[in-house]
Amino acid sequence: DVKVTQSSRYLVKRTGEKVFLECVQDMDHENMFWYRQDPGLGLRLIYFSYDVKMKEKGDIPEGYSVSREKKERFSLILESASTNQTSMYLCASSFSSASGLDEQYFGPGTRLTVT
Amino acid sequence: DAKTTQPPSMDCAEGRAANLPCNHSTISGNEYVYWYRQIHSQGPQYIIHGLKNNETNEMASLIITEDRKSSTLILPHATLRDTAVYYCIVRVAGTGNQFYFGTGTSLTVIP
Repeated sequence: DVKVTQSSRYLVKRTGEKVFLECVQDMDHENMFWYRQDPGLGLRLIYFSYDVKMKEKGDIPEGYSVSREKKERFSLILESASTNQTSMYLCASSFSSASGLDEQYFGPGTRLTVT
Repeated sequence: DAKTTQPPSMDCAEGRAANLPCNHSTISGNEYVYWYRQIHSQGPQYIIHGLKNNETNEMASLIITEDRKSSTLILPHATLRDTAVYYCIVRVAGTGNQFYFGTGTSLTVIP
């Protein structure tokens, strides 16, 4: 079974703190993704990476950065946390495929509260 | 623009088949239909996907109409653990093509 793990289930940080969210997958997937999920807005893509040291902006990258130094690990960084970044953060991974075999597998999520 | 239309909520009796519809009338020839579900406070879980043919796996069956403008996800014997939000997504396969999760269908399995 594919396993995607996230470093914390719940996190509380103060405004202005630097926050690191870690994601690790064990299936040798090329692609990794960070989403946030808010009530009424569904899942929104923040950043994704299709290879080590590669990254692409998603729909809402402002206020975030990412790091992928190893294939299995993808980190989301909030340089200076703000209250509007309070959300559920979800990491996902997938193979690269143009034949439909690139379904994404998600971690359990990190519920971040910024006070 | 929304590519899929799903009913916001449905109920199903435990042990009965749950049939979740999805309309995707503007689907193009190279777009796949994917289904995910999300149980409360967990990450989305992949269920099944298909292009033209009907598909079945250990979790569910996917029935796609011949014109591909709609599909139905079938959970053959719904259990209480199937209570979740179900998302129908259409997309072209490939890394640069996103999965857009809309609001889905909230399925409640009733004892």
